[in-house]
Amino acid sequence: DIQMTQSPPSLSASVGDRVTITCRASQDISHYLNWYQQKPGKAPRLLIYDASNVQTGVPSRFSGSGSGTDFTLTISSLEPEDIATYYCQLYDNAHLFSFGPGTKVEIK
Amino acid sequence: QVQLVESGGGVVQPGGSLRLSCAGSGFTFSREAINWVRQAPGKGLEWVAHISHDRVQKFHVDSVKGRFSISRDNSKNTVSLQMNSLTPEDTAFYFCAITGYSHGWGVFEHWGQGSLVIVS
Repeated sequence: DIQMTQSPPSLSASVGDRVTITCRASQDISHYLNWYQQKPGKAPRLLIYDASNVQTGVPSRFSGSGSGTDFTLTISSLEPEDIATYYCQLYDNAHLFSFGPGTKVEIK
Repeated sequence: QVQLVESGGGVVQPGGSLRLSCAGSGFTFSREAINWVRQAPGKGLEWVAHISHDRVQKFHVDSVKGRFSISRDNSKNTVSLQMNSLTPEDTAFYFCAITGYSHGWGVFEHWGQGSLVIVS
């Protein structure tokens, strides 16, 4: 199985800060990596698909990058409504779907 | 707009069975692959099962193989998850979600609101 790790598990940042979350796969997954935002009591919401494509309707402060085994989700300027847990997710023909353990973002 | 609505959750004793349903609307149901993803209270997301638009492909995560079964009825715009031999470890919110709607086949683009299953 492909193992997914995320770092940090949680972070506290101030409004306006640049926030970076990292996702690492245990083997090369090309660009097949998506990012989701989940707020308490809500379903996940797609933010970024295929590593770097921003989903329609997602604010431009969200961006994604990376390929192979290392990926990054960046919030360029943190807003209060960005308080949530963020998950990466891979997909491939052999292993189907796997989610990372999540990164909880809080306001300092 | 695309809407997915789960139903059928509840409290069940260990060893019991439960059947979840996911009703879709606002899109051509018979064209879309549907998945179940679960989340234990306070924990992360875990993909559970996938069914292709035409029912040809069905996949389940190893931890539920032989106990859970995904199916669909395109005439009723519903996908079901039959869950047997339930254990407390199956306690979770169960979300249905579409993959491959606008993007790659593995992108979860639309989600339901979830249905809570408690095994106790």
